[in-house]
Amino acid sequence: GEDVEQSLFLSVREGDSSVINCTYTDSSSTYLYWYKQEPGAGLQLLTYIFSNMDMKQDQRLTVLLNKKDKHLSLRIADTQTGDSAIYFCAESGSNFGNEKLTFGTGTRLTIIP
Amino acid sequence: EAGVTQFPSHSVIEKGQTVTLRCDPISGHDNLYWYRRVMGKEIKFLLHFVKESKQDESGMPNNRFLAERTGGTYSTLKVQPAELEDSGVYFCASRRQGSYEQYFGPGTRLTVT
Repeated sequence: GEDVEQSLFLSVREGDSSVINCTYTDSSSTYLYWYKQEPGAGLQLLTYIFSNMDMKQDQRLTVLLNKKDKHLSLRIADTQTGDSAIYFCAESGSNFGNEKLTFGTGTRLTIIP
Repeated sequence: EAGVTQFPSHSVIEKGQTVTLRCDPISGHDNLYWYRRVMGKEIKFLLHFVKESKQDESGMPNNRFLAERTGGTYSTLKVQPAELEDSGVYFCASRRQGSYEQYFGPGTRLTVT
């Protein structure tokens, strides 16, 4: 079955860039997503990328996809204290109608002042 | 537009009791999903409704779980009888037909004692 893996923790100094990595096993993945969960809140859709793209940029967020290595990354430029959260990588399959998401364990991002 | 809402936000019940969780999707979203995260593990898919029909219920753990979406609007997830291992956070998400964006609610934290 599908599997998505992420490292559990990442600490970054305020103002630096954060890079959160994710690997997945399903070669038929169509869309790959990044969700953010702040303490006590639900999952907020940050961005997503279609599998035929290599990169997507949205303000401070840059998503890179290496389909050959099944590796996805999220770069947050100029990391701020408000970026402290758990970041989940997720993928969905290619079968029409099969849009269930498979999530990684989440990476807890801690900002060091 | 209002986001996905879930009720209650937190429920504490004893083993053997029954609990019903409710999800109100974003208005006009035909697709509704239930997921859950137990004890810090991955967020796992439970099932997917398209309007009032169950499109995919492959993630439902056992027959103690019953999901309904009468009328194709809000959905309920009933756990009867609840077991200790059912403790976790239950998320609902909705998606507009034709879009690949799933929007999540804040979740219901279920604690079975």
